[in-house]
Amino acid sequence: GQNIDQPTEMTATEGAIVQINCTYQTSGFNGLFWYQQHAGEAPTFLSYNVLDGLEEKGRFSSFLSRSKGYSYLLLKELQMKDSASYLCAVRGRGEAAVNKLTFGGGTRVLVKP
Amino acid sequence: DAMVIQNPRYQVTQFGKPVTLSCSQTLNHNVMYWYQQKSSQAPKLLFHYYDKDFNNEADTPDNFQSRRPNTSFCFLDIRSPGLGDAAMYLCATSRGRAGNPLGNEQFFGPGTRLTVL
Repeated sequence: GQNIDQPTEMTATEGAIVQINCTYQTSGFNGLFWYQQHAGEAPTFLSYNVLDGLEEKGRFSSFLSRSKGYSYLLLKELQMKDSASYLCAVRGRGEAAVNKLTFGGGTRVLVKP
Repeated sequence: DAMVIQNPRYQVTQFGKPVTLSCSQTLNHNVMYWYQQKSSQAPKLLFHYYDKDFNNEADTPDNFQSRRPNTSFCFLDIRSPGLGDAAMYLCATSRGRAGNPLGNEQFFGPGTRLTVL
């Protein structure tokens, strides 16, 4: 089975940096995804990590350590529009073909002026 | 430009009255998924289709059924909705090509919010 933990809520100031941690315990691992979800809307894809290390994409970066079962999403130069929930999702081994994901509960980020 | 379309966006039904939610995609993806997401909770996978092959999650209630008549369309049928079935229902698709994980992100539709009275 899969167990994915992330903080429920975080608050940060516009222009600042916020790091959202995600830890997972899985029976197998074949990739970790981060999604952004605004209230009442569908999740949108942010990043994908399958190897250890940092993936950078503009203001967003995602890090993975497979040995520690740990990932983080780093949001830099926060903007008000970044206020949203951020979902960590893990794909188990053998599930690449169907991309079957297990989602964490999401971290609600509130950006204040 | 719409890629994954869900209709309707808001659906109200009565307790016990069957309801069908629809999803269509213009991406020609092999895999289509249905998730249930309750307020402030993670999306929970109900089932998915890989082409015509249906795969039900072990804990999905029998009350939930699905149909995929062709590549583009997938339906979620709730046979007898209860108050606990009120949620956002998300449809998603992915290419479903093994060995190409970078191409396997899921694309989500806007969701249908179901209210049960």
